[in-house]
Amino acid sequence: KQEVTQIPAALSVPEGENLVLNCSFTDSAIYNLQWFRQDPGKGLTSLLLIQSSQREQTSGRLNASLDKSSGRSTLYIAASQPGDSATYLCAVRSGAGSYQLTFGKGTKLSVIP
Amino acid sequence: SQTIHQWPATLVQPVGSPLSLECTVEGTSNPNLYWYRQAAGRGLQLLFYSVGIGQISSEVPQNLSASRPQDRQFILSSKKLLLSDSGFYLCAWISRSLIGYTFGSGTRLTVV
Repeated sequence: KQEVTQIPAALSVPEGENLVLNCSFTDSAIYNLQWFRQDPGKGLTSLLLIQSSQREQTSGRLNASLDKSSGRSTLYIAASQPGDSATYLCAVRSGAGSYQLTFGKGTKLSVIP
Repeated sequence: SQTIHQWPATLVQPVGSPLSLECTVEGTSNPNLYWYRQAAGRGLQLLFYSVGIGQISSEVPQNLSASRPQDRQFILSSKKLLLSDSGFYLCAWISRSLIGYTFGSGTRLTVV
């Protein structure tokens, strides 16, 4: 059974700092991995999706990497801003025919002005 | 463009009352549809998924049920709510041609 872990559970950084969020998964036979952002009381917004054959994806100040063999992914946020404050969730899809994502519990990020 | 609508946004219901949450998708056809629940400190849990009209699969035995009466409509129901049904309910979809999941804005359910 796939398990996804996100460390740390919470992170507080000053504005402008670069930061890394970590995600690990127990079964390396994944189809893809998706990073989401969730603001308080809101739904999930997809940030980046990495296929199992890819090593990284970039969107603006965000860069996600994937090391499937070691069961790890990182989300790098450059030059953090207060508007980046949210909970970041990592989710793994285990196969092309798989019907569900397995989520980590998230990292709650606070960027202090 | 594809959009997903979920309502209501917030709901407070007494124990033992019925429940109906609705989710609709626009701009696509034959999507896979999902209901997830997010409880405090427990992460997201898949409740039901559907690959077509009338086709429902349940991941977790519980007090809830789901139905898909139309291609782009997914309904989560309960005949009698329990306190433990409180949580944040999220609908999601994925199309046959896309590879990423898209989530709705969620419904905050409080059972009192």
